[in-house]
Amino acid sequence: KAGVTQTPRYLIKTRGQQVTLSCSPISGHRSVSWYQQTPGQGLQFLFEYFSETQRNKGNFPGRFSGRQFSNSRSEMNVSTLELGDSALYLCASEPRPYYGYTFGSGTRLTVV
Amino acid sequence: AQSVTQLDSQVPVFEEAPVELRCNYSSSVSVYLFWYVQYPNQGLQLLLKYLSGSTLVKGINGFEAEFNKSQTSFHLRKPSVHISDTAEYFCAVIDFNAGGTSYGKLTFGQGTILTVHP
Repeated sequence: KAGVTQTPRYLIKTRGQQVTLSCSPISGHRSVSWYQQTPGQGLQFLFEYFSETQRNKGNFPGRFSGRQFSNSRSEMNVSTLELGDSALYLCASEPRPYYGYTFGSGTRLTVV
Repeated sequence: AQSVTQLDSQVPVFEEAPVELRCNYSSSVSVYLFWYVQYPNQGLQLLLKYLSGSTLVKGINGFEAEFNKSQTSFHLRKPSVHISDTAEYFCAVIDFNAGGTSYGKLTFGQGTILTVHP
């Protein structure tokens, strides 16, 4: 059974650019969440989606946005990149609420 | 807002010794509790979870955790560790308000790096 797939694995962008990260959840998982992981702030919640609806959003500026498609695949977008956006972005999915997330290996974004 | 405190940022231990990784959360009406492990350059893997029922929860790889409501703690234990247990461990919580509504998101602790020495 395939796990949570995140693409790309690594990304280098310049300040001011925008970036789109992709996540394919495990087949049958309708809930997808995104987290940002940095050495200083740890793991911070970005968004949660269920059946194409954003059910919850973390405390991030409006430059961070996301969406979920009808096949449960999800994307997140960061516009006007800042150096502080450099982080590991993790996507996670679960088949039903509180079952426990399965995480992808993440996309490591470096902003220069 | 919910907070999770992992009391030790690093825990060194010798192989085959027991280990306890400590986790405390801020009080709430009710909570669901999780432990995840992260190996280098990988995502997080669920070790175990407490939703309700028995306060002693057994997980994968020989780990177990005990939910203590009065102490607001959920400490992770393993009676005998292996070199392969070297990783970072995260405690996480989902909390609910009095109406039983979940805030939905996992709140993570800052992580504990477990290093197992031969």
